[in-house]
Amino acid sequence: GQNIDQPTEMTATEGAIVQINCTYQTSGFNGLFWYQQHAGEAPTFLSYNVLDGLEEKGRFSSFLSRSKGYSYLLLKELQMKDSASYLCAGSSGGYQKVTFGTGTKLQVIP
Amino acid sequence: DGGITQSPKYLFRKEGQNVTLSCEQNLNHDAMYWYRQDPGQGLRLIYYSQIVNDFQKGDIAEGYSVSREKKESFPLTVTSAQKNPTAFYLCASRFSSSNQPQHFGDGTRLSIL
Repeated sequence: GQNIDQPTEMTATEGAIVQINCTYQTSGFNGLFWYQQHAGEAPTFLSYNVLDGLEEKGRFSSFLSRSKGYSYLLLKELQMKDSASYLCAGSSGGYQKVTFGTGTKLQVIP
Repeated sequence: DGGITQSPKYLFRKEGQNVTLSCEQNLNHDAMYWYRQDPGQGLRLIYYSQIVNDFQKGDIAEGYSVSREKKESFPLTVTSAQKNPTAFYLCASRFSSSNQPQHFGDGTRLSIL
């Protein structure tokens, strides 16, 4: 299965760096996605990891360790507009089941 | 423009009534998904389909039904057996290759009258 755990809430300061962690069960695991979701809106894709290591995309980076069942999303130079929920999702199995964690609500303060 | 369309945006259900939520995509995606989101919560998988005429139960399929008669369409019926249907419902689609992200519709907000 894909039990996925994330912290419920985090607060960080504008201009700072924040790391959002995600752990998952490795059974049948294919890859891991990160999405951003603003309140009342649909999620939007941020990054995907299938191999161990760091993927960088501008201010956002995502890391994966398959052996540890662990990922994190790193947000640099935080802006007020980064206040949102960040969802970790794992794909598994031949039918490409995609399961989400509960999401981490990030509040960026001045 | 290619995209994924959900309708209606808001839906009200009476007690004992079945309602159907529409999801259409013109992205030529193989796989389609339905999720439920409750306030302050993550997305929970209801049903998913990788190909036409085939679908799989997700983690909370009870009280819901789906069909996949066309590649573009994956409607979700919320039946009267679903006793707590009030939620935000999100449809998603993707190419079935494992490294492809999901594209989401704008969601349908279902409430009980």
